Amino acid sequence: QQQVKQSPQSLIVQKGGISIINCAYENTAFDYFPWYQQFPGKGPALLIAIRPDVSEKKEGRFTISFNKSAKQFSLHIMDSQPGDSATYFCAASWVNTGKLIFGQGTTLQVKP
Amino acid sequence: EAQVTQNPRYLITVTGKKLTVTCSQNMNHEYMSWYRQDPGLGLRQIYYSMNVEVTDKGDVPEGYKVSRKEKRNFPLILESPSPNQTSLYFCASSGRTPYPTDTQYFGPGTRLTVL
Repeated sequence: QQQVKQSPQSLIVQKGGISIINCAYENTAFDYFPWYQQFPGKGPALLIAIRPDVSEKKEGRFTISFNKSAKQFSLHIMDSQPGDSATYFCAASWVNTGKLIFGQGTTLQVKP
Repeated sequence: EAQVTQNPRYLITVTGKKLTVTCSQNMNHEYMSWYRQDPGLGLRQIYYSMNVEVTDKGDVPEGYKVSRKEKRNFPLILESPSPNQTSLYFCASSGRTPYPTDTQYFGPGTRLTVL
């Protein structure tokens, strides 16, 4: 009920291409969906987040698309760069709670 | 410099020997949390604390204890470590918002090996 499923597990994209990572959730009570970026040897860092009252949020080259009826959300990285090579985690949470459920992670490699 | 510090950064221990991983933040944050990271499983929340003396279980609390006696510190205690607790552990903190997990600052991680 509280799972967040993330795919693909790994992704290779050419420089300048679009990277797409998908997540699906089961618990309709989730109302906050962040994405984290993690570089090797570092802790995760918040990249972008969305709440279910909007269907899309864009910050620079990063866009979250949210489909409430399908209980799915995705991260799109436009014009992918080698510096975007990292592990990406989607997550889900609820307002006024400190509980956070992560997806399994996607390792992205952007080839020059 | 605003930061979350964890100690030790690396630890190799044996089954059953009690250990504590410390976490401290200097940002006066109310919210703190512990996660473990395992290949293929991503990050899983162990415990979190919304404020001093307030702690709650995450997804995988079994085998762990925490305490929040002061705002800045949130130690993770393994009373009797077992090999399945071998993992990379992260502590995180954030300020008070309706979404406490928003803009969490993560520590550098503690790599624990239990033999």
